[in-house]
Amino acid sequence: AIQMTQSPSSLSASVGDRVTITCRASQGIRNDLGWYQQKPGKAPKVLIYAASSLESGVPSRFSGSGSGTDFTLTISSLQPEDIATYYCLQDYSYPRTFGQGTKVEIK
Amino acid sequence: EVQLVQSGGGLVQPGGSLRLSCAASGFNFSPYWMQWVRQAPGKGLEWVANIKEDGREQRYVDSVKGRFTISRDNAKNSLYLQMNRLRVEDTAVYYCVRDNDKVMEGNTYDAYDIWGQGTAVTVSS
Repeated sequence: AIQMTQSPSSLSASVGDRVTITCRASQGIRNDLGWYQQKPGKAPKVLIYAASSLESGVPSRFSGSGSGTDFTLTISSLQPEDIATYYCLQDYSYPRTFGQGTKVEIK
Repeated sequence: EVQLVQSGGGLVQPGGSLRLSCAASGFNFSPYWMQWVRQAPGKGLEWVANIKEDGREQRYVDSVKGRFTISRDNAKNSLYLQMNRLRVEDTAVYYCVRDNDKVMEGNTYDAYDIWGQGTAVTVSS
């Protein structure tokens, strides 16, 4: 199975800061990667698919980039409602695998 | 309203069985791949299984192969997960998930856009 490694595992940033989360795949996965946001006690929500395509209704401050093995989720200006845990998910092969998650908090 | 409503979780002893159900409403269920994703207490997300639109193809994570069976009934707009020989490590919240495939430049990408409310499964003696 392809292993997805996220970094950092947690971060604390101020409102308005630019936040970057990285996801690395154990082998090349083209651009077959999505990003998901999970708020406490809630089901996850898709933010990005195909590494860089924004899901309908998702604020434009979220963006994704990368291909091959290295991917990035960026929040251009952190808002209080962005407090959540973020997961990457590869859909290149089975079994699908998630990263371990990055918890984002407000400083 | 587009939604997935889950039922069937609970407490079971190791070695026991449970069947999870997921009822879809507000959208045409049959054209979509469907998945189950789980989350152990305080842990991250784990993809468990998925099933093709017509039910003729299923995939599983290795840890549940031979014990879990995913199925669907398109006439009833429902998804199921039969879980047998349950282990303590299967304890988790299980989510039913719709995959709204995105097709771009000839490639297909997963986009898990609708999630059920989650149902807790606890395996303990």
